[in-house]
Amino acid sequence: DQQVKQNSPSLSVQEGRISILNCDYTNSMFDYFLWYKKYPAEGPTFLISISSIKDKNEDGRFTVFLNKSAKHLSLHIVPSQPGDSAVYFCAASEGSNYKLTFGKGTLLTVNP
Amino acid sequence: GAVVSQHPSRVICKSGTSVKIECRSLDFQATTMFWYRQFPKKSLMLMATSNEGSKATYEQGVEKDKFLINHASLTLSTLTVTSAHPEDSSFYICSATSGMYNEQFFGPGTRLTVL
Repeated sequence: DQQVKQNSPSLSVQEGRISILNCDYTNSMFDYFLWYKKYPAEGPTFLISISSIKDKNEDGRFTVFLNKSAKHLSLHIVPSQPGDSAVYFCAASEGSNYKLTFGKGTLLTVNP
Repeated sequence: GAVVSQHPSRVICKSGTSVKIECRSLDFQATTMFWYRQFPKKSLMLMATSNEGSKATYEQGVEKDKFLINHASLTLSTLTVTSAHPEDSSFYICSATSGMYNEQFFGPGTRLTVL
């Protein structure tokens, strides 16, 4: 039973346009959500996070939106750049126990 | 951000041998370290959580006698894959955190290939 789902295995966008990566979760106890970026044969790199008390968090070109009632979050990247091409993982945790549950990832390709 | 290293980055071993992977937090004291495993085109799967000075907590389905975890100091955790078999071939990633951070910082991963 997958508690964090990223239903799109891949996404392709044009440079300069917006990339929207989606994530759904089923565990209502999750209250902290993170996005990680991963290149092949490397560990994930933290991008941005959001607590369940917020519905939006912005950091430069990256914005994460959280819709608690729909148990849905999304990562917006604008403008997208070719260097953003990577696999993006959505992750969630309960409280302060640090244990992360990951989605399967979405491969983003930004075309020049 | 905080830096986590892993060693080795790549290892090839024969079936039946044991392999040790090190995970180090370079610029902070990691009270908690995690070990993950990733199969091709799959999510990162948490194997175990380790707190410094105490026994690791293993996730369901992970054999603790096969995947030995030691977290002897605040900057070092090791994962030993004992009597490795080809099905243990995978990408192993560690992460570390402390009370200072909300997020985990990941190492670069270790590619294990068992022949």
